[in-house]
Amino acid sequence: NAGVTQTPKFRVLKTGQSMTLLCAQDMNHEYMYWYRQDPGMGLRLIHYSVGEGTTAKGEVPDGYNVSRLKKQNFLLGLESAAPSQTSVYFCASSYGPLNQPQHFGDGTRLSIL
Amino acid sequence: ILNVEQSPQSLHVQEGDSTNFTCSFPSSNFYALHWYRWETAKSPEALFVMTLNGDEKKKGRISATLNTKEGYSYLYIKGSQPEDSATYLCALPNQAGTALIFGKGTTLSVSS
Repeated sequence: NAGVTQTPKFRVLKTGQSMTLLCAQDMNHEYMYWYRQDPGMGLRLIHYSVGEGTTAKGEVPDGYNVSRLKKQNFLLGLESAAPSQTSVYFCASSYGPLNQPQHFGDGTRLSIL
Repeated sequence: ILNVEQSPQSLHVQEGDSTNFTCSFPSSNFYALHWYRWETAKSPEALFVMTLNGDEKKKGRISATLNTKEGYSYLYIKGSQPEDSATYLCALPNQAGTALIFGKGTTLSVSS
C-alpha cells in the first residue's frame, strides 16, 4: 500500500543550486498538489495539477516550477534555491478537490544554506 | 483568496477533558469542508469531508458539525487522550473548485 511517495525525504542544498522533488501516487488520482509547511503558516499551496499534462499556480508559486508528464508523477523543481525556500514540502493527491479527501506523502525536509 | 480561519490557534487540555474548536469561512458559494488531523512528524490524514448544511459526522470520539448559512464548522473531541495531540486542519475548495485552501490549524496538546 504505497499511496503517495515522496523522494527524497531530506536534502541540504547551497544557495543557487537546483533540485527536483518527486511525488508518485499509485491510486490513479487525477489531482495532485504541492504544499509547503512553515511554522505558524499552516499548509500553503505552491502548484497543483488537475490531470496529466496540466499544471496551475497556487498561493505561493514564485521560485518553483512543476511538471506532470505522467498521471502518477508530479515533480516540483527549484531552479535556483534560496534560503527562503527552506521548508517541509508535502505532496498530496485526490480524485477531486471538492468532496474527495486528499492523501498526503510523508514530506520532504529541505534546508538551503 | 479564500479566507479560512481556525480558532483557537492552540490549546492545552487534561486527559479526559472534552474540547472543541472552530473553522470559519465565507458562507457564500459553499461546496465542501474538509477536516484533517496532523500528528507531529507525520503527514495530514483526512478525518471528514462535509457538504450539507446541518451535517454531523463522527469517528470514534471525534465529531464535527457544519453550518453553511453562518459559515462555521465545529470539531469536537470527547474525553481527550494524549494520542489526540495533533494539529487539526480545516480546508475548503478554492473559488475555481480546483484545489483546497487550508486554515492555519488548531494545535491540541493533551496531558496525562
